[in-house]
Amino acid sequence: DAGVIQSPRHEVTEMGQEVTLRCKPISGHNSLFWYRQTMMRGLELLIYFNNNVPIDDSGMPEDRFSAKMPNASFSTLKIQPSEPRDSAVYFCASSLGGQSNQPQHFGDGTRLSIL
Amino acid sequence: QQQVKQSPQSLIVQKGGISIINCAYENTAFDYFPWYQQFPGKGPALLIAIRPDVSEKKEGRFTISFNKSAKQFSLHIMDSQPGDSATYFCAAKYNFNKFYFGSGTKLNVKP
Repeated sequence: DAGVIQSPRHEVTEMGQEVTLRCKPISGHNSLFWYRQTMMRGLELLIYFNNNVPIDDSGMPEDRFSAKMPNASFSTLKIQPSEPRDSAVYFCASSLGGQSNQPQHFGDGTRLSIL
Repeated sequence: QQQVKQSPQSLIVQKGGISIINCAYENTAFDYFPWYQQFPGKGPALLIAIRPDVSEKKEGRFTISFNKSAKQFSLHIMDSQPGDSATYFCAAKYNFNKFYFGSGTKLNVKP
């Protein structure tokens, strides 16, 4: 079975540029999560969706970050303008939301470097 | 404010030994406690999980011990193997689907 698919796997861009990260959740999963992982702060939840609707975006660091989920099979995380401190590995995860104690399934992440 | 505190930060164990990683939490509303394993270049993958009404869960060489009164839980890896070398994260779930992760433990199992 296909897992969570993220693209690109690596992104290197210059400060000030717009960055778009993409995620395809596991088919049938209706909850989707975006995380950021850094050495300093570990794994942080940025935002999560249930049935394509953003439920909690309290982890989004600032207005430069935005996320969308136009349909059940696709989500984007956008950073505009990007800054060097945004460099991190960004993970997308999905789960069977609405049912108790369902694990999250993670993609392999996008390693983002802002120069 | 860190919701889930994990220790140690790193751990070196000889092959065949027992690896023990500990986590502590404060929020008694947490209702699900998974452990994830992460290899370099990969996303975290669910290893084993426990509910707070259970004191122990075992799957193969991996065991979670849960102490509700102390608000602590731990992962034990029996007969540790070099292939177990990875970063391990504990987590706790709250409020439908919100997970909080520990800071991770980098395990190195020496052959």
